[in-house]
Amino acid sequence: SQTIHQWPATLVQPVGSPLSLECTVEGTSNPNLYWYRQAAGRGLQLLFYSVGIGQISSEVPQNLSASRPQDRQFILSSKKLLLSDSGFYLCAWVEGGYEQFFGPGTRLTVL
Amino acid sequence: AQSVTQPDIHITVSEGASLELRCNYSYGATPYLFWYVQSPGQGLQLLLKYFSGDTLVQGIKGFEAEFKRSQSSFNLRKPSVHWSDAAEYFCAVVVNTGFQKLVFGTGTRLLVSP
Repeated sequence: SQTIHQWPATLVQPVGSPLSLECTVEGTSNPNLYWYRQAAGRGLQLLFYSVGIGQISSEVPQNLSASRPQDRQFILSSKKLLLSDSGFYLCAWVEGGYEQFFGPGTRLTVL
Repeated sequence: AQSVTQPDIHITVSEGASLELRCNYSYGATPYLFWYVQSPGQGLQLLLKYFSGDTLVQGIKGFEAEFKRSQSSFNLRKPSVHWSDAAEYFCAVVVNTGFQKLVFGTGTRLLVSP
C-alpha cells in the first residue's frame, strides 16, 4: 500500500535561516505531488505542485521554492525564512485519480 | 474563479445529535467534490468524494454527503455524532483535471459537547 512521509514533524527556526522540508511517497510511481501551507485558523493554500521529476509549478509568489530530485521525493526550501512562513506544511500525492492523499504534516515555527 | 465556501467557521453539536456541515462551490462544469477531515496537528483524511452518478454518497465513519446541482451545494451529514468526530472539516473541488488541482474551503471546526 501507498504511504507518504514528511520530516521533520516539527521545526523551530530563527528568522533568516534556511529551510528544507522533505516529503517521500512509497508504493506508487510517477505521482503528482503537492505542497500546501495551512496558517493558523485558515484553510489550505496550494504552494507548489509537480507532475514529474524536475517539473515544478508555483501557485503563489513567495519566499519558498520546491524541487523534485526523484520520482517520489518532493522538497520545500527557503534560503531565508520570514516570520510569515510559520505554519503547518502538508505534502499530498495523486496517482491516476483526483483524490489527494496527505502526509502527516510539518509544524514550522519561525521566531 | 472556482471557489468553495464553507459558511460556518465553528459548529457545536451535542453528542448523539445529527450534524450537517455546509459547502457551496462555484465551478462551471460538473464538479468533482470531496470532504476531508483533519484532527489537530495531523494531516487530512478523505471522508468521501463525488464524481458522478448517485447524488447521495456514503463515506467512512458513518458520514454521507448530498450533491445538489441546483443549489451548488455538497453538504456533509451524519445522523449521530460521536465525541471522536470533533475535528476540522474541509470541502474541496477539483479545478484542474489535468493536474488534479484542488481548491479547499476555509474549513468548519466541529465541537462536540457531552
